[in-house]
Amino acid sequence: KAGVTQTPRYLIKTRGQQVTLSCSPISGHRSVSWYQQTPGQGLQFLFEYFSETQRNKGNFPGRFSGRQFSNSRSEMNVSTLELGDSALYLCASSLTASGSINNEQFFGPGTRLTVL
Amino acid sequence: AQTVTQSQPEMSVQEAETVTLSCTYDTSESDYYLFWYKQPPSRQMILVIRQEAYKQQNATENRFSVNFQKAAKSFSLKISDSQLGDAAMYFCAYSRGGADGLTFGKGTHLIIQP
Repeated sequence: KAGVTQTPRYLIKTRGQQVTLSCSPISGHRSVSWYQQTPGQGLQFLFEYFSETQRNKGNFPGRFSGRQFSNSRSEMNVSTLELGDSALYLCASSLTASGSINNEQFFGPGTRLTVL
Repeated sequence: AQTVTQSQPEMSVQEAETVTLSCTYDTSESDYYLFWYKQPPSRQMILVIRQEAYKQQNATENRFSVNFQKAAKSFSLKISDSQLGDAAMYFCAYSRGGADGLTFGKGTHLIIQP
């Protein structure tokens, strides 16, 4: 079974631009979570989607948004990019939504975003 | 809000030796889940081991085991017979089971000396 895939793997943007990152979960998984990893703040939860619905969102500004499609693939969008948005963005898929006993999250390889 | 603290930014151990990574957490919940993730230089996060808070028995996975002390809110990871492939960042993570995602510690960089 193929793992979680994220595209693109690397991205360079300039301040003020917007960016869309994609995540394809493991086949059969219905939940996708997104995390931001930076040297200063570490790993921080962005949001989780289950069955095309956002279930929760971390403490991030409205410039960060996402969506999930009927095939469980998810995209996250960051508008009006700032230098501080440079980070590794990880997505994780799980069979069920958070809160379930066997909700093991499987992570993708990440997208490295650099904002110049 | 829940917090996870890893007090050791970096640990070094000789190959074949045993090393213990520390993790403490703060929560008011009684039921929750704890995890150790490994992130090698490839940046791929890999689940090493997990523990359900309602289970008193410490989880083990081959050379990896945990010491879960619920009252002390402590969740340490012991790696026995360390191997060069164990070199990585190790993150302790907490989940209360709701849709809040995982709360991660800052990580411990584990170095394996040959």
